[in-house]
Amino acid sequence: DAGVTQSPTHLIKTRGQQVTLRCSPKSGHDTVSWYQQALGQGPQFIFQYYEEEERQRGNFPDRFSGHQFPNYSSELNVNALLLGDSALYLCASSLSFQGEGSPLHFGNGTRLTVT
Amino acid sequence: GQQLNQSPQSMFIQEGEDVSMNCTSSSIFNTWLWYKQDPGEGPVLLIALYKAGELTSNGRLTAQFGITRKDSFLNISASIPSDVGIYFCAGPTRPEKLTFGTGTRLTIIP
Repeated sequence: DAGVTQSPTHLIKTRGQQVTLRCSPKSGHDTVSWYQQALGQGPQFIFQYYEEEERQRGNFPDRFSGHQFPNYSSELNVNALLLGDSALYLCASSLSFQGEGSPLHFGNGTRLTVT
Repeated sequence: GQQLNQSPQSMFIQEGEDVSMNCTSSSIFNTWLWYKQDPGEGPVLLIALYKAGELTSNGRLTAQFGITRKDSFLNISASIPSDVGIYFCAGPTRPEKLTFGTGTRLTIIP
């Protein structure tokens, strides 16, 4: 039973560039959430996708966008990269019908470094 | 917005010792989750608590959902080297949107 998989594992970009991160949810899960984890901090919610639509969004600018595909996989896009976007980007999947507090299963993340 | 504060921020213990950490919130939560994160990996769910006053165990780990619903506690008994890592509490602020605590870093001294 494959868990949440993310690619790439590491990425180095230059300020102003654009980046796309990818996530495949745990088998049987239909909801994907993205989190940003800065060094030494807890993960911060970016947004969540269900049925190919953004369902919830955290306090992140429009430079952060996403997409969910019919097979439930998801992409996170960040435009006009800033140095402050350097972080570990975590994807988490869950089952929507389990409601509040349904346990999230996290991938191992993509480490993005912006120089 | 809601904030979850964890204490202590870091712990240095010897193998075999028991560990206690806690998490407090400015707001009420209906669910408390405890995650552990190892270096280079994503958080892994340890224990989920769904009811005020609930006490739940997972092996050597025991967590409690505070009666006020504004706090939670995690205890680890007889620590072993693989317990090293960062422990996060988390609570849903909206369905499936988790707010994470500031983390407690556990280090075991040889």
